[in-house]
Amino acid sequence: LAKTTQPISMDSYEGQEVNITCSHNNIATNDYITWYQQFPSQGPRFIIQGYKTKVTNEVASLFIPADRKSSTLSLPRVSLSDTAVYYCLVGRVTDKLIFGTGTRLQVFP
Amino acid sequence: DAGVIQSPRHEVTEMGQEVTLRCKPISGHDYLFWYRQTMMRGLELLIYFNNNVPIDDSGMPEDRFSAKMPNASFSTLKIQPSEPRDSAVYFCASRPSGPSTDTQYFGPGTRLTVL
Repeated sequence: LAKTTQPISMDSYEGQEVNITCSHNNIATNDYITWYQQFPSQGPRFIIQGYKTKVTNEVASLFIPADRKSSTLSLPRVSLSDTAVYYCLVGRVTDKLIFGTGTRLQVFP
Repeated sequence: DAGVIQSPRHEVTEMGQEVTLRCKPISGHDYLFWYRQTMMRGLELLIYFNNNVPIDDSGMPEDRFSAKMPNASFSTLKIQPSEPRDSAVYFCASRPSGPSTDTQYFGPGTRLTVL
């Protein structure tokens, strides 16, 4: 399972775009990149998943460069309700997921 | 769908007592996962099942922990005897089979306090 490295915490203000980068230098050919979000007192929630290039859904965008050694989760125009911990996970679809420490995003008014 | 259901939501017990946590996965999901979350260790995978069969229990901390899945709609995580260091939030998650997704759906968690 590829090890991931992401910032421990980030601060932002409402209305700004937030980009969280995750490093995964030893990502394998069959590995996907998945991001989860966890609010206080709740279980993690799937946000987005990708393999290469760019993926976009109603919540976020995921940018993956050609070498796939990193990825960036982009949250457009964050609000206070986006305050949460964001986890980057890398692995094959059939692997068990290993959650790291995540990035604690704090959004201020 | 009601999502993953866990019970109880909160459990306070005394050291040495047996604790049983329960989980009902989303109907039709073939995989079930048990996690534990603490401030010190983060979110740890304890064990997971596929079609009611335990696949990987390497995360189970010690013999005091056991998990069962007697049928597709029910699983238990038991701690006997419990210790204060077992205090944590325990999450159950499930996901469907299929090569195109590994999205796991988490339950609300059970907050366990062992005094």
